[in-house]
Amino acid sequence: GAVVSQHPSRVICKSGTSVKIECRSLDFQATTMFWYRQFPKQSLMLMATSNEGSKATYEQGVEKDKFLINHASLTLSTLTVTSAHPEDSSFYICSAPRTGQSNSPLHFGNGTRLTVT
Amino acid sequence: AQKITQTQPGMFVQEKEAVTLDCTYDTSDPSYGLFWYKQPSSGEMIFLIYQGSYDQQNATEGRYSLNFQKARKSANLVISASQLGDSAMYFCAMRDTFPLTFGKGTMLLVSP
Repeated sequence: GAVVSQHPSRVICKSGTSVKIECRSLDFQATTMFWYRQFPKQSLMLMATSNEGSKATYEQGVEKDKFLINHASLTLSTLTVTSAHPEDSSFYICSAPRTGQSNSPLHFGNGTRLTVT
Repeated sequence: AQKITQTQPGMFVQEKEAVTLDCTYDTSDPSYGLFWYKQPSSGEMIFLIYQGSYDQQNATEGRYSLNFQKARKSANLVISASQLGDSAMYFCAMRDTFPLTFGKGTMLLVSP
């Protein structure tokens, strides 16, 4: 069964509004979670690393004021797309390692397909 | 520089045949891990198989095996006895530092 739950799976919003995406680890504690973005037929691009109890680390070119990340607990990280625009339409997917060991695969949520009209 | 290279944008195979998906990587770290994920059209990422840089034997998981050639820095995924449900995008990924770095993916189409 799923070990990482992501919600919502699909959202349509109007330009200028904000959208919150939740990512939960279901049966383990995740001090670190990762947020990826994927455009159609392209690979996953890391946006940011979410750290429980501290600020997120953003990849180059990702606007931290645009994509707000809050890692409020050991099992929950949220990504808020603020003042969304059509170019923010994409597939957003979170992931978390069950352990910090190098051979631990990332467990992924099922993703959120965001459409901004 | 690209860390993970998947040179095949797409592969086509007939049901029940074996198929190899290519992956080469680049790292100077002696300790690293290589992963393969499957992404069906629904979007979820499904972990398939893992190979550690110090593992002596090639990893296998059911119909999936990883042809690990360390000197060539390649980690090809072999799917034996392809099934229609194997049609999906396949991503090779590497971890030398957190987090994973993904290749661009290979679309696999399995026909009856």
